[in-house]
Amino acid sequence: GESVGLHLPTLSVQEGDNSIINCAYSNSASDYFIWYKQESGKGPQFIIDIRSNMDKRQGQRVTVLLNKTVKHLSLQIAATQPGDSAVYFCVEMFPAGNQFYFGTGTSLTVIP
Amino acid sequence: DAGITQSPRHKVTETGTPVTLRCHQTENHRYMYWYRQDPGHGLRLIHYSYGVKDTDKGEVSDGYSVSRSKTEDFLLTLESATSSQTSVYFCAISESGSGGFRWQFFGPGTRLTVL
Repeated sequence: GESVGLHLPTLSVQEGDNSIINCAYSNSASDYFIWYKQESGKGPQFIIDIRSNMDKRQGQRVTVLLNKTVKHLSLQIAATQPGDSAVYFCVEMFPAGNQFYFGTGTSLTVIP
Repeated sequence: DAGITQSPRHKVTETGTPVTLRCHQTENHRYMYWYRQDPGHGLRLIHYSYGVKDTDKGEVSDGYSVSRSKTEDFLLTLESATSSQTSVYFCAISESGSGGFRWQFFGPGTRLTVL
């Protein structure tokens, strides 16, 4: 099956700076994307989603950008806080599908 | 957190023994999923259910079976556990979203060790 890849497995940022986590996907027909955050010892937690008919979506301190031309997705976190330290997963869903494909994740560490 | 629990939370078993993991939800959501998480692989879908008695395979279904006799419960069974099934197992639930787009609530996970 298709897989979702990430450009960087780890990312360290200074507290207060903005973070950008990148994701490349391979199925150009994927029509729905989700970002999850997973803290140590817990299940993934929904952050934000975006449909393929959009190129940007904003939430509270987070923004997801979708570039379908190059099949790239990014998660931007504004004013990164220590509580943002976690593993972040990019997930794609195929058209009319019931299955979701997770990338391997990016570990974000916030330096106080 | 959404009303989703998993039991047991930790289990150690021996190769060749049967194991059943339980996922219970109180949200009355239609869809339920079982994933496994291993280092370097993210989460991979094992099986999912789109209604009572309606299930389908995911990308890593070999060696696993599932059952859903009630909306609130989704069981994952390893008929004869192997060491390769040592993993952390997550259950997830979701409701039907507009246009089929939906995200999932995840349970706390079950750590299974097969010796």
